Amino acid sequence: GAVVSQHPSRVICKSGTSVKIECRSLDFQATTMFWYRQFPKQSLMLMATSNEGSKATYEQGVEKDKFLINHASLTLSTLTVTSAHPEDSSFYICSARGGGPGETQYFGPGTRLLVL
Amino acid sequence: LAKTTQPISMDSYEGQEVNITCSHNNIATNDYITWYQQFPSQGPRFIIQGYKTKVTNEVASLFIPADRKSSTLSLPRVSLSDTAVYYCLVGALNYGGATNKLIFGTGTLLAVQP
Repeated sequence: GAVVSQHPSRVICKSGTSVKIECRSLDFQATTMFWYRQFPKQSLMLMATSNEGSKATYEQGVEKDKFLINHASLTLSTLTVTSAHPEDSSFYICSARGGGPGETQYFGPGTRLLVL
Repeated sequence: LAKTTQPISMDSYEGQEVNITCSHNNIATNDYITWYQQFPSQGPRFIIQGYKTKVTNEVASLFIPADRKSSTLSLPRVSLSDTAVYYCLVGALNYGGATNKLIFGTGTLLAVQP
């Protein structure tokens, strides 16, 4: 299947700092990228959907000013957690898919964020 | 968006065939059915995807009845390494846009014992 990478795989930061997570589709052009968050022993929760070149669409309850998403190219999307707090500590997972009929959504390996 | 219902957990033994059924009663005409496997602290891994009838690949089969209101993931001979959470998702994958997002349900925790 297609490959989606994330960087960094894990990050520890101090409360109040901002953290940027990159998501790349390595062998296909991702028309749409998605960002999920997963807390321990819970399912993935969709945070936002982004299409290349346009603003992201956020799910209800997700603060767009806190979780900044940029999808500047067909292979790269970034999620910036601004002014991170301990409650933002979670596992962040991106996914990507192309724009053709029946295109499968592929997921990255995830980024573990710990805010102290 | 179509909602899915799966058993919370299942137990099996090595070498057995495991069938996990998912209900999606309000699936839309252009929705596909996709199954993912997730290990702890990893992103979901694509297993199989289908629209109707039966789909088979090197790791699993997917059975979809004519009314498409349910689907069954079949893992032929499980091993200990198949212990994971399995998610069934439905969504329209043939168009771009925010409406075609995959919403995760609770998933099924499959525990394979020796």
